Amino acid sequence: ETGVTQTPRHLVMGMTNKKSLKCEQHLGHNAMYWYKQSAKKPLELMFVYSLEERVENNSVPSRFSPECPNSSHLFLHLHTLQPEDSALYLCASSLGSSYNSPLHFGNGTRLTVT
Amino acid sequence: EDKVVQSPLSLVVHEGDTVTLNCSYEVTNFRSLLWYKQEKKAPTFLFMLTSSGIEKKSGRLSSILDKKELFSILNITATQTGDSAIYLCAVVSSSNTGKLIFGQGTTLQVKP
Repeated sequence: ETGVTQTPRHLVMGMTNKKSLKCEQHLGHNAMYWYKQSAKKPLELMFVYSLEERVENNSVPSRFSPECPNSSHLFLHLHTLQPEDSALYLCASSLGSSYNSPLHFGNGTRLTVT
Repeated sequence: EDKVVQSPLSLVVHEGDTVTLNCSYEVTNFRSLLWYKQEKKAPTFLFMLTSSGIEKKSGRLSSILDKKELFSILNITATQTGDSAIYLCAVVSSSNTGKLIFGQGTTLQVKP
């Protein structure tokens, strides 16, 4: 148990489906992140929320839509995805800025787009 | 463009060996460098380094930062099969709203 819980663990969806990834942190942190991890590529930051306000949107296509209703929960809404979006999606949280507070990661959702 | 490069990309050793993993970086307004270990799923935090020349140690793992030459090393002594994982290096830059810039990772396999 990492303190950051992601569901589902695995997800297979067609290109026309709509689904959501969920992340919950039990660490009392106030910043949350979505990262994408593809094979043989560095982790890519997608979104950052600090105190429930989006502070970073790293040129992510609009078919990915984040939502942060409170400091403990983070969602990633998915629609009309492409096969190249298949990857491990990792959620992370930190206490304050990542300047001096290491990120704590969840176990990720393994997404396959068919 | 900010970047982080790790080497080697993969490494196979036998139990008991000592390994050194490298991480070099080019970023503007460097703030800190972090090492993570990723086994199956969640990367787990190992070290955060902000000052040059000060070694951080945790059991058989240690790491040091050289801000002049822009690199860090992660040492693992007396390796065990449980050390098999992907080791990720990431750098925080204050010019990027504090986001972590990750390297590609080094995949370490420790054989019995």
